[in-house]
Amino acid sequence: QQQVKQSPQSLIVQKGGISIINCAYENTAFDYFPWYQQFPGKGPALLIAIRPDVSEKKEGRFTISFNKSAKQFSLHIMDSQPGDSATYFCAASKGNNDMRFGAGTRLTVKP
Amino acid sequence: EAQVTQNPRYLITVTGKKLTVTCSQNMNHEYMSWYRQDPGLGLRQIYYSMNVEVTDKGDVPEGYKVSRKEKRNFPLILESPSPNQTSLYFCASSLSGPNYEQYFGPGTRLTVT
Repeated sequence: QQQVKQSPQSLIVQKGGISIINCAYENTAFDYFPWYQQFPGKGPALLIAIRPDVSEKKEGRFTISFNKSAKQFSLHIMDSQPGDSATYFCAASKGNNDMRFGAGTRLTVKP
Repeated sequence: EAQVTQNPRYLITVTGKKLTVTCSQNMNHEYMSWYRQDPGLGLRQIYYSMNVEVTDKGDVPEGYKVSRKEKRNFPLILESPSPNQTSLYFCASSLSGPNYEQYFGPGTRLTVT
């Protein structure tokens, strides 16, 4: 069963635009919400992560928005660049090893 | 350089021929995990290990085995591979569990004919 639902499956954005990827989770016990970035032929790499005690975390052009009551979180990429073109996975976990990934979003940033 | 290595990177094999995919990390991490990545399904956990000699099933353990005899190594064993195990496999490690940054290996593309 998929406990983390990610949308959209694919996203095309113009250079300089804002990319938004959404995730929804079911298990209220999850307490760690990372986003991983994967380039073709590479393993995923942690991009940014948030814990549920805050509603937003920003690192450079990347922001996670977290809505605990709605059980949703999203990744915003400001001023999107062609180098941001990759597949993005959201995930949710709790410390006893219950870890679930979303299905992934393929982002293409057009020059 | 801190890294997770996997070997082989690519493997084509036939149904029923036992194979092992090796995974090694040089960061002294306690937690290691194996995932398979399939289109439209994201990453699904196969097995994980919280420490040496401690392993447990993830979401999709059927047809796989693992061992953790040393802290740095976590091999994935397919005793009798089948075509439905054709996939992209990733090994990952983290300091002490899934609630910490996981470092992924480069992946192993396995095809079972």
